Amino acid sequence: DGGITQSPKYLFRKEGQNVTLSCEQNLNHDAMYWYRQDPGQGLRLIYYSQIVNDFQKGDIAEGYSVSREKKESFPLTVTSAQKNPTAFYLCASSPTGGARNIQYFGAGTRLSVL
Amino acid sequence: EDQVTQSPEALRLQEGESSSLNCSYTVSGLRGLFWYRQDPGKGPEFLFTLYSAGEEKEKERLKATLTKKESFLHITAPKPEDSATYLCAVEYRDSNYQLIWGAGTKLIIKP
Repeated sequence: DGGITQSPKYLFRKEGQNVTLSCEQNLNHDAMYWYRQDPGQGLRLIYYSQIVNDFQKGDIAEGYSVSREKKESFPLTVTSAQKNPTAFYLCASSPTGGARNIQYFGAGTRLSVL
Repeated sequence: EDQVTQSPEALRLQEGESSSLNCSYTVSGLRGLFWYRQDPGKGPEFLFTLYSAGEEKEKERLKATLTKKESFLHITAPKPEDSATYLCAVEYRDSNYQLIWGAGTKLIIKP
């Protein structure tokens, strides 16, 4: 089945540690996105990529990094510089950027700090 | 400031009791308004896209409508399985193809 796979489902980070969240899609979509979801707030964009080897910062990129070496993969690293990383992280993809291209989401990764 | 506001924050209904959720936006040059459903601990699931005022779309017990300043998600005779958080997002002319999201409405349908 086509879809977006995020792993792990739950992740725990120790202080000073970098952690990487995986996102893989087999929908042959060009664009991929990372969002952060906190209780009572709308989804906030961290990074997005519209093509392989290119990505742009979203509204809250500080303390995060990404790579887009393959069309299918868009991993997110939460660095030690992100002081409040506890949140639900969502990866999405769309055929191309634009209103007529719907974003499809993975099941999410919940990150907590030990 | 460009923003998207959803109301109410939470809504409790009895099974079969119809109601509406609201999504108001203050952006210029709307390109599209999106409705998603999100179950607890899961990713959002796409429901509808609306592009211009007056447009309506339906799916089972859900009907989405759009005006120049807001969208409504009407739920007719809801069932307990309709319980979820409903999210609204907009894309507009100067958003560089990105979406601005509302905080969502948590809908609870009691049997």
